[in-house]
Amino acid sequence: SQTIHQWPATLVQPVGSPLSLECTVEGTSNPNLYWYRQAAGRGLQLLFYSVGIGQISSEVPQNLSASRPQDRQFILSSKKLLLSDSGFYLCAWRALAGFNNEQFFGPGTRLTVL
Amino acid sequence: AQSVAQPEDQVNVAEGNPLTVKCTYSVSGNPYLFWYVQYPNRGLQFLLKYITGDNLVKGSYGFEAEFNKSQTSFHLKKPSALVSDSALYFCAVRVPGSSNTGKLIFGQGTTLQVKP
Repeated sequence: SQTIHQWPATLVQPVGSPLSLECTVEGTSNPNLYWYRQAAGRGLQLLFYSVGIGQISSEVPQNLSASRPQDRQFILSSKKLLLSDSGFYLCAWRALAGFNNEQFFGPGTRLTVL
Repeated sequence: AQSVAQPEDQVNVAEGNPLTVKCTYSVSGNPYLFWYVQYPNRGLQFLLKYITGDNLVKGSYGFEAEFNKSQTSFHLKKPSALVSDSALYFCAVRVPGSSNTGKLIFGQGTTLQVKP
């Protein structure tokens, strides 16, 4: 069966520090991968998605970047964090075998920027 | 523009009573619709989806949803609510033309509170 991992679970970082959040998927190949941010426990904002290794699409101009160095690894980064980067970050994957497949979400990372 | 609306921020229901969480959508073409549930400080869990076929879709944990094309709605329902159903519920629609990317548009979420 497929599983998705995110780490760390929680993170407290000072303004101006770098960021690296990692997401890995097991049990599937060539998934679509997604990074979302959820602010104030409410709506989800799609930040990045990837359809393959090295292929990143950005949805919203911002202080963050994403990379996909391996098929099942998706990394969210920042060189200098802003207060507004605080939030709950969710990674998700979708199997390509069947274009109507749903997305499956990881457990999330709670980021607090102070 | 494509959009999903969940008109109620919160729905309150007594345990054992039926529940409905509303969702309406606006997309061009045939909609592909999804419901997710989120418990506090957790990721989203997939409940059910409508792609085509029977308008009544059954999903996990006893939930079902009814697709109504004329009303552009996809309301989530359960015949008998449990206290453990209390959570945040999201409706989502796939962005038209995104079969390869699977991008979704999410509603703002509805908090379901089931009281004993």
